[in-house]
Amino acid sequence: QSVLTQPPSASGTPGQRVTISCSGSTSNIAPNTVNWYQQLPGAAPKLLIYHDNQRPSGVSDRFSGSKSGTSASLTISGLQSEDEADYYCAAWDDNLSGRVFGGGTKLTVL
Amino acid sequence: EVQLVESGGGLIQPGGSVRLSCAASGFIVSSNYMNWVRQSPGKGLEWVSVINGGGTVYYADSVKGRFTISRDNSKNTLYLQMNNLRVDDTAVYFCAREHFDFWGLQTRWYFDLWGRGTLVTVAS
Repeated sequence: QSVLTQPPSASGTPGQRVTISCSGSTSNIAPNTVNWYQQLPGAAPKLLIYHDNQRPSGVSDRFSGSKSGTSASLTISGLQSEDEADYYCAAWDDNLSGRVFGGGTKLTVL
Repeated sequence: EVQLVESGGGLIQPGGSVRLSCAASGFIVSSNYMNWVRQSPGKGLEWVSVINGGGTVYYADSVKGRFTISRDNSKNTLYLQMNNLRVDDTAVYFCAREHFDFWGLQTRWYFDLWGRGTLVTVAS
């Protein structure tokens, strides 16, 4: 049971916009920042979004992050086949005094 | 090139030990927060341990007392000594560089560099 809750799966067709949610609490998402990782099949995770909505250099602007209260979202615009991957949210949890991850969302491009 | 390369995984019997290594290039390990994160087969990511620039270490409750994180500054390498291994320690172990700070009341962190991982299988 992960501290942050994500839907296990999401899907979309090429060109669509897809949003993946990450639900937390007043001890993690609300008071702290959220980051997002993309894990392609058989690969290591890759940083996609940090500090709620910042993109590292080299990450496509089709990826964007947002946060409201105890929930965060990752939005992928102009969906492409190469976006098919697992996506994880993460944050600091004040009660646990540690780093916590969501359970991951498997994105399928139909 | 800035990169992390893990090694040391393999098949270990329950109760056994193994030491994982994570060789860094392009940056200085001892100047950064360095972490181990694991992923059990078909499962999500689980944070395992961190060592900060000052050498302070923290562990997940699931490995506390059994795993030890350390670094060798002369080799620019991070280690994870894993003792008394259990079947549920079976996972790919990734090392990751972390950016960590406080911004007002917020605790901010993210892993900006990951290795490819090394598989540890605990089975008899």
